[in-house]
Parts: sequence; C-alpha cells; structure tokens
Amino acid sequence: DVKVTQSSRYLVKRTGEKVFLECVQDMDHENMFWYRQDPGLGLRLIYFSYDVKMKEKGDIPEGYSVSREKKERFSLILESASTNQTSMYLCASRGQLYSNQPQHFGDGTRLSIL
Amino acid sequence: QQQVKQSPQSLIVQKGGISIINCAYENTAFDYFPWYQQFPGKGPALLIAIRPDVSEKKEGRFTISFNKSAKQFSLHIMDSQPGDSATYFCAPLYNNNDMRFGAGTRLTVKP
Repeated sequence: DVKVTQSSRYLVKRTGEKVFLECVQDMDHENMFWYRQDPGLGLRLIYFSYDVKMKEKGDIPEGYSVSREKKERFSLILESASTNQTSMYLCASRGQLYSNQPQHFGDGTRLSIL
Repeated sequence: QQQVKQSPQSLIVQKGGISIINCAYENTAFDYFPWYQQFPGKGPALLIAIRPDVSEKKEGRFTISFNKSAKQFSLHIMDSQPGDSATYFCAPLYNNNDMRFGAGTRLTVKP
C-alpha cells in the first residue's frame, strides 16, 4: 500500500527559528509536494519537486524553501519561522505528472510558532 | 486568485439522507475533476473523479455530476452514514497536472 510519512505530527517552535519538516514516500514517485492547510482556504501549494534536486515554486513560496537530495525524501524548510506560518502542513507524492494519477498525502504536521 | 469555489462550507445531514457538495470553477482549461475525502487527523485521499467527456460517474453511494457548460461539478452521497463525516475537497486539474483545491466542506452525518 502507498505510504507517505511525515516525521512529526505536532511541532512547536519559536519565532525566528529555522524549522525542518520531513517527508518520506515509499512508492518510488518522481513528484512530491508540500501544501499548507488553513480553515476556509483549503490546501495551498508551497513547493513541488518533479525530480531529485529539482524544485518549483507553488502559490505561496515566500518564507519557505525545500530540499530534495534523494528521490524518496522531500524536506520543507522555514528559514526564519513567523507566527503567520502556524498551520497544518501536508506532504504528498504522485507518480506521473500530466496524468490522472492521484496524489497520496501524509497525515500532516501541525506546526505552532510561538 | 480564486479559481475554485466550493459550497457549502459545512453541511449537516441525517443518517440515510443525501449530501450534496458543489464546486464551481472559472478556468475552462481544467480537464480532470476529482473529489478528495479527509478524515480528522488524516491526509486527504482520492474518493472519486470524473473526466470532462462524461456527465456522471457513480461508485457505490458516491456520484459525481458534471456540467461543463455551467462550469460546475458536484458530489452526491446517497444514504449518508455517520462514517461519511469528513471534510471533502474538490480539486480540479489542468494539463492533468496543476491541481487547485476548493476551500473544503465539513460534512457531519447525524445518527
């Protein structure tokens, strides 16, 4: 069965800290995504990666960066955390772009910035 | 920009009733129309999807109706059950690639 694993379910950090969110998939998918989920706003794409070391900005990349050194692992980095980055973060993977293959999501990391 | 408008924001239905969630879109380039289901504490998962060359697709108690001219598609849940209580997202794609999520509908099915 498809599995996307996010390293932390809950995380509490302080303003100004550098924060790392980790995601691992076991499906050998080329494509991985980071979203944030906020009530009333649905899911908004932060960054995605279509290959190792490749990345593309999504709709809300400001204040974030990503790293993909291995195919199965995609990291989201908050360079200097701010309170407006308190949110639920969801990682997803997908086999082929330009196809009807579904996205498979992890269970999310609820991040609080104090 | 808001390309996808989902309604209602929340919905309460009695067990056995019909739940209807709507999604209106602006971009005529959307070419695949999925619905995702998210239970509390879990990530979204694909529930059902439709291509634009058909007007309706049914899988068990779940049906998608698609109206290309009105740029709308809807999810119907027949004989709604308490286990259907979840948040539902429409997430149309264009170029079979760029996925745009609606704001979500929180469905509660009362026993």
